[in-house]
Amino acid sequence: DAGITQSPRHKVTETGTPVTLRCHQTENHRYMYWYRQDPGHGLRLIHYSYGVKDTDKGEVSDGYSVSRSKTEDFLLTLESATSSQTSVYFCAIGGNTDTQYFGPGTRLTVL
Amino acid sequence: GQQVMQIPQYQHVQEGEDFTTYCNSSTTLSNIQWYKQRPGGHPVFLIQLVKSGEVKKQKRLTFQFGEAKKNSSLHITATQTTDVGTYFCAGISSGSARQLTFGSGTQLTVLP
Repeated sequence: DAGITQSPRHKVTETGTPVTLRCHQTENHRYMYWYRQDPGHGLRLIHYSYGVKDTDKGEVSDGYSVSRSKTEDFLLTLESATSSQTSVYFCAIGGNTDTQYFGPGTRLTVL
Repeated sequence: GQQVMQIPQYQHVQEGEDFTTYCNSSTTLSNIQWYKQRPGGHPVFLIQLVKSGEVKKQKRLTFQFGEAKKNSSLHITATQTTDVGTYFCAGISSGSARQLTFGSGTQLTVLP
């Protein structure tokens, strides 16, 4: 597996609290992505990055923000978590080809 | 926006039977990829198809890309219990900055 880690792996939080998920890679890949996975919806792109400080919105970006201050780290922030954001979040990285390599995922529960 | 539809959503087969999942895009794709996700795991890249009409094989798995580059299929011959998982197709449209649009996946159960 590619050198990609996510933290935390599990988190339970309450509605209205801020949450930050971290994705860390050791592959020096340019592209990084955040997806959410929900039953019946497959993987949906939240935000992606094509370089340090270069980010753009995906299909389901409302309620989420991202930051990439270093090549190896891509942070996903839920400013005020809602129950609809309960999901499994996957980070992925991509290099010079279109192939993406996924991290182990973070299971987030918002009560 | 681009949509990728995948059927069936679920498939139960007896070990040794064949399995096929189908993927259809609302737009022409520059390439299509297939991923496998084991229960509790993360998606793992299987293969990428680029050319119109392309067929690729990996042991018991056969992947096809349609002539119009809008559909694809994955066929598994003689399924084994190790094939259990969810299979996703994912497409990239031309000029989409390497954004993959995933199908909703086909969850395969193999009964021993």
